[in-house]
Amino acid sequence: EDQVTQSPEALRLQEGESSSLNCSYTVSGLRGLFWYRQDPGKGPEFLFTLYSAGEEKEKERLKATLTKKESFLHITAPKPEDSATYLCAVLTGGGNKLTFGTGTQLKVEL
Amino acid sequence: KAGVTQTPRYLIKTRGQQVTLSCSPISGHRSVSWYQQTPGQGLQFLFEYFSETQRNKGNFPGRFSGRQFSNSRSEMNVSTLELGDSALYLCASSSSGGDEKLFFGSGTQLSVL
Repeated sequence: EDQVTQSPEALRLQEGESSSLNCSYTVSGLRGLFWYRQDPGKGPEFLFTLYSAGEEKEKERLKATLTKKESFLHITAPKPEDSATYLCAVLTGGGNKLTFGTGTQLKVEL
Repeated sequence: KAGVTQTPRYLIKTRGQQVTLSCSPISGHRSVSWYQQTPGQGLQFLFEYFSETQRNKGNFPGRFSGRQFSNSRSEMNVSTLELGDSALYLCASSSSGGDEKLFFGSGTQLSVL
């Protein structure tokens, strides 16, 4: 059974204080690893898809990386508007069945 | 381009009742997936439909069912509601159902009393 574990569960940063979120996974046949952002009362919003070990993707202050066992979401010089829950999910098997981690709740303070 | 639309936004039911939730995917998207989100379990996969056929199913009891219509709109039904069914139900769509990003709706918040 596919398993996805995210750490930490919660993270509080000062504005400008860079950090990383971790997503470790145990799957058979990884087709893709996804990062989503979820704001309160809303559905998850797509950030990145990574397909193979060594791949990296960037978007504004966010950078996602992938190894054979884990993925990191690096947040550089975060701002209060980056506060949200960040979700990691793996795609395996056929079709669109995603297995999600329980998320990291990030709060960025002034 | 309109996003994924879910109706209703909020729903209150009592134990034993049944409920139907609706999802309209992004125009042109043929894959629709449903997820249940609770504070304790996070997001859990319910099922996926592609071109009116169920392609994947999660580990939920038979009380949870769904269908997809020829215009790709989807409904999910929960019969004989239990207190533990209280959750945010999220619908997501994608164009081909392959290794592509899912676009999520804002969900239907179901409360079972």
